[in-house]
Amino acid sequence: GAVVSQHPSWVICKSGTSVKIECRSLDFQATTMFWYRQFPKQSLMLMATSNEGSKATYEQGVEKDKFLINHASLTLSTLTVTSAHPEDSSFYICSAQTGTNEKLFFGSGTQLSVL
Amino acid sequence: GQNIDQPTEMTATEGAIVQINCTYQTSGFNGLFWYQQHAGEAPTFLSYNVLDGLEEKGRFSSFLSRSKGYSYLLLKELQMKDSASYLCAVRFTGGGNKLTFGTGTQLKVEL
Repeated sequence: GAVVSQHPSWVICKSGTSVKIECRSLDFQATTMFWYRQFPKQSLMLMATSNEGSKATYEQGVEKDKFLINHASLTLSTLTVTSAHPEDSSFYICSAQTGTNEKLFFGSGTQLSVL
Repeated sequence: GQNIDQPTEMTATEGAIVQINCTYQTSGFNGLFWYQQHAGEAPTFLSYNVLDGLEEKGRFSSFLSRSKGYSYLLLKELQMKDSASYLCAVRFTGGGNKLTFGTGTQLKVEL
């Protein structure tokens, strides 16, 4: 199956700093990528849809100025958590599709801990 | 919102069969997925249903009834490694191909 690479796998940062998470589709082009957040023992909550060459579409309640998404190429999307706070500590997962109506392939996830 | 409901937890015995149910709002339905997720890992794809009926893939099968807004994932010959969270996800038309996930069912397989 298609491979989606995400890194870093985990990051610990101080409150107030910014953290960038990268998501790459390794063997296919992804015009659309999705960013999810998952708190312990909860399901995945969609944060935003990342579209190559255009602005991301954010879900209701997600602060676009805090969670900056850039999809500069067909194989790379980045999520930057700006001015991170302890409540931003979570598991962040990206995903991509090989085509319309196809299944999602997920990256390995990034565990963010903000001290 | 587009509610997707699954049981929170289930427990089953090694070697047995377990059925995990998922219900969803039928309006705009455009496909249902099941994913398996082990703690601290990303979800992995198990099955996809868009038409009514049963899809079988080894020890795992998934069933869909579009008119009832109902699906189930059937796991046979349970193994300890099947202990994981099972996520039901639905694609709705007009949603830009995004998936909406249920809360997940934490399955515990015991000896």
